[in-house]
Amino acid sequence: GAVVSQHPSRVICKSGTSVKIECRSLDFQATTMFWYRQFPKKSLMLMATSNEGSKATYEQGVEKDKFLINHASLTLSTLTVTSAHPEDSSFYICSALGEINSPLHFGNGTRLTVT
Amino acid sequence: AQTVTQSQPEMSVQEAETVTLSCTYDTSESDYYLFWYKQPPSRQMILVIRQEAYKQQNATENRFSVNFQKAAKSFSLKISDSQLGDAAMYFCAYRSAGTYKYIFGTGTRLKVLA
Repeated sequence: GAVVSQHPSRVICKSGTSVKIECRSLDFQATTMFWYRQFPKKSLMLMATSNEGSKATYEQGVEKDKFLINHASLTLSTLTVTSAHPEDSSFYICSALGEINSPLHFGNGTRLTVT
Repeated sequence: AQTVTQSQPEMSVQEAETVTLSCTYDTSESDYYLFWYKQPPSRQMILVIRQEAYKQQNATENRFSVNFQKAAKSFSLKISDSQLGDAAMYFCAYRSAGTYKYIFGTGTRLKVLA
């Protein structure tokens, strides 16, 4: 089946620093990638939709300048949390979509802890 | 706007028994897809089953089957012969045919008792 690799799986950073999370589709071309945030025991909250070669579309309430998304190729999207603060600590999950009617495939997620 | 509701925050089932997880949704669209995803302790989201709204036949995948009631906007998941490995968080999700965006329910935590 389709594989999505997300890296790193866990990261701890100091307040004020930036962290980059990578999401790669390993065996298919992802026309669209999604970034979600998941709070403890909560559902997935869509942050933004990323299309290769174009600007990401952010959901209401998500700060574009804080959560920078780049979809440089059909197999790679990155999420950079800039000037991280403790309230940014969360579990971030990426997902990738190949063909329009294909199911969504998820990465393993990244646990971000900002100290 | 579409919404997905999972009214059972937590369910328990005895190993080898059957359990049904509920999901209702609200939409004015006629063409859409419904999914059940499983999130085990590893946090990896895994697709369990999907249903196209235009299909009347309920989808099945081995021990997993759905009861899709389009008029009632209900999409429940039945797990037969429950196994310890089925213990996870289960999310119901909706996607309209015209978009890529998925809307997830709040999840149901399933515990499987040995």
